[in-house]
Amino acid sequence: SQKIEQNSEALNIQEGKTATLTCNYTNYSPAYLQWYRQDPGRGPVFLLLIRENEKEKRKERLKVTFDTTLKQSLFHITASQPADSATYLCALGDGGGFKTIFGAGTRLFVKA
Amino acid sequence: DAEITQSPRHKITETGRQVTLACHQTWNHNNMFWYRQDLGHGLRLIHYSYGVQDTNKGEVSDGYSVSRSNTEDLPLTLESAASSQTSVYFCASSDRSGGAADTQYFGPGTRLTVL
Repeated sequence: SQKIEQNSEALNIQEGKTATLTCNYTNYSPAYLQWYRQDPGRGPVFLLLIRENEKEKRKERLKVTFDTTLKQSLFHITASQPADSATYLCALGDGGGFKTIFGAGTRLFVKA
Repeated sequence: DAEITQSPRHKITETGRQVTLACHQTWNHNNMFWYRQDLGHGLRLIHYSYGVQDTNKGEVSDGYSVSRSNTEDLPLTLESAASSQTSVYFCASSDRSGGAADTQYFGPGTRLTVL
């Protein structure tokens, strides 16, 4: 069955450092991959999308890579700030149907 | 501004009762989804709809039903609530068409407790 794996352990980093989150998947050939941010008590919010034919996508301090051979995406936040503390969800979508599958997320804590 | 709202935000009910969670979006999106989120699990799809009068079962649909009578609303009904349905429920919508990616807009969630 299709499976998405994200680090279940929280990631703790110091302010100003680069945070790197990992998303691995199996039994799936996604047409695109998305990253969402979720704050406590709130719904997920879309951040970035990268397609299968793209290696890297950037938006301000965010960078996403997508390696379809390794079946892995890395999500980087450079110059991290305490306000970046949240849970980050990886999501995969196919090119045909409308269903998106989500990972369980990784909790990020940025300490001042 | 367009938005997606859910009500109630918190609900406590008893086993066996029927419960309906409301979802309303003003994005005018065709696609709407219901997910549940439990600790250690990703968002799991319960039901989804591609448009008015269209509904489809998701990964964890047993015990849940939806109906879509207009573009804006997709209420989720628990026919006979069970303790296993204690969870946080999220509604989402998207406007995917053609080859576009399915970027979803989420509501704030409903925390449901079944005693």
